[in-house]
Amino acid sequence: DQQVKQNSPSLSVQEGRISILNCDYTNSMFDYFLWYKKYPAEGPTFLISISSIKDKNEDGRFTVFLNKSAKHLSLHIVPSQPGDSAVYFCAASARNQGGKLIFGQGTELSVKP
Amino acid sequence: EPEVTQTPSHQVTQMGQEVILRCVPISNHLYFYWYRQILGQKVEFLVSFYNNEISEKSEIFDDQFSVERPDGSNFTLKIRSTKLEDSAMYFCASSEEARAGDTQYFGPGTRLTVL
Repeated sequence: DQQVKQNSPSLSVQEGRISILNCDYTNSMFDYFLWYKKYPAEGPTFLISISSIKDKNEDGRFTVFLNKSAKHLSLHIVPSQPGDSAVYFCAASARNQGGKLIFGQGTELSVKP
Repeated sequence: EPEVTQTPSHQVTQMGQEVILRCVPISNHLYFYWYRQILGQKVEFLVSFYNNEISEKSEIFDDQFSVERPDGSNFTLKIRSTKLEDSAMYFCASSEEARAGDTQYFGPGTRLTVL
């Protein structure tokens, strides 16, 4: 089941620079997309979400962009901080599936001082 | 800030034994979920639960699995006869609603090791 894909298993950026994490999906029924952040030995922590009727949502240093025609979304973190180092999961849900989240494989972000 | 809690943090069991994983969702949430993550793999949906009934379940959630809300606060996942491949992190989550996009809040997980 590869409905949600994060093709980059890891990403390394310098502190202060922009981090861009990418996610692709195949199911056109998805109408909400969420980003979760996960530290080792902890559960996923909600970061930001976007509805399919929007193309951008911003919350502080975090912005999610959605390109429906390309079935692609991205999470921008600017400026990146060492505390942002974690695994980032993209997840998607569809209206008729009772809140079920389909996750990508995750991208491990490392922000170097 | 309210949070989802899970116990135990780590459970070791012998193959064929029954295990019960426990979760206390956020108190005003009505929808509850179990997910699991096998080491090195993605987080996978197992089951959603609302109003004392299963709302949705995945192919993974076969007859060996069951969920229950035995009282007003706990939400449990039971695996009747554990297999080696059940070894994984199990995450409980809860949300106010079950609409697409309603934020699910996850617990810290229970690491299940089946020997």
